[in-house]
Amino acid sequence: SYELTQPPSVSVSPGQTARITCSGDALPKQYAYWYQQKPGQAPVLVIYKDSERPSGIPERFSGSSSGTTVTLTISGVQAEDEADYYCQSADSSGTIGVFGGGTKLTVL
Amino acid sequence: EVQLVESGGGLVKPGGSLRLSCAASGFTFSSYSMNWVRQAPGKGLEWVSSISSSSSYIYYADSVKGRFTISRDNAKNSLYLQMNSLRAEDTAVYYCARGCLHDSSGIDYWGQGTLVTVSS
Repeated sequence: SYELTQPPSVSVSPGQTARITCSGDALPKQYAYWYQQKPGQAPVLVIYKDSERPSGIPERFSGSSSGTTVTLTISGVQAEDEADYYCQSADSSGTIGVFGGGTKLTVL
Repeated sequence: EVQLVESGGGLVKPGGSLRLSCAASGFTFSSYSMNWVRQAPGKGLEWVSSISSSSSYIYYADSVKGRFTISRDNAKNSLYLQMNSLRAEDTAVYYCARGCLHDSSGIDYWGQGTLVTVSS
């Protein structure tokens, strides 16, 4: 079955830039989405269609795509950004959804 | 304001059945695909199933195919998940989630989830 691969954890100091990658063979064909999830809460969409930012999401969140890897970048990380981040996409047929394993972002 | 409210979770014995419901409001329900996504305790997100706006296209994860059935009632603005032959590994918080209008493979809004516990 199709898989998306994320690093389990990323740590940065406040004000620095955090980059979280997500790799998958079908990413050149399918859009990627990124979600932020804080403990005890439902996920929140932070990036859609690889690099678009929903209204209400701070400008420090951005997304990019290159080949089989997509990247979520958080510039000027703040303490409130500490959370789990998940990438999501679909298989090559576009019918079966898949999530990455999640990345825990720690703000030191 | 988009609202998705799940209900129907609870404790069920292995081999048992449960039906989850999701009440949608704040948007034109009949125009959007819908999804169920689950999260086992302390684990990551797992896509379970999706249904197109008119129920013409339905897809399942391999882990639930043949046991779970997704359905919707556009007249009642409601999404459902019938879960049969439940197993311990189905224990999770189940989220109702709206598909993106421009690309139904994405999700733009999530409910708060309902907990399903499968245990004897």
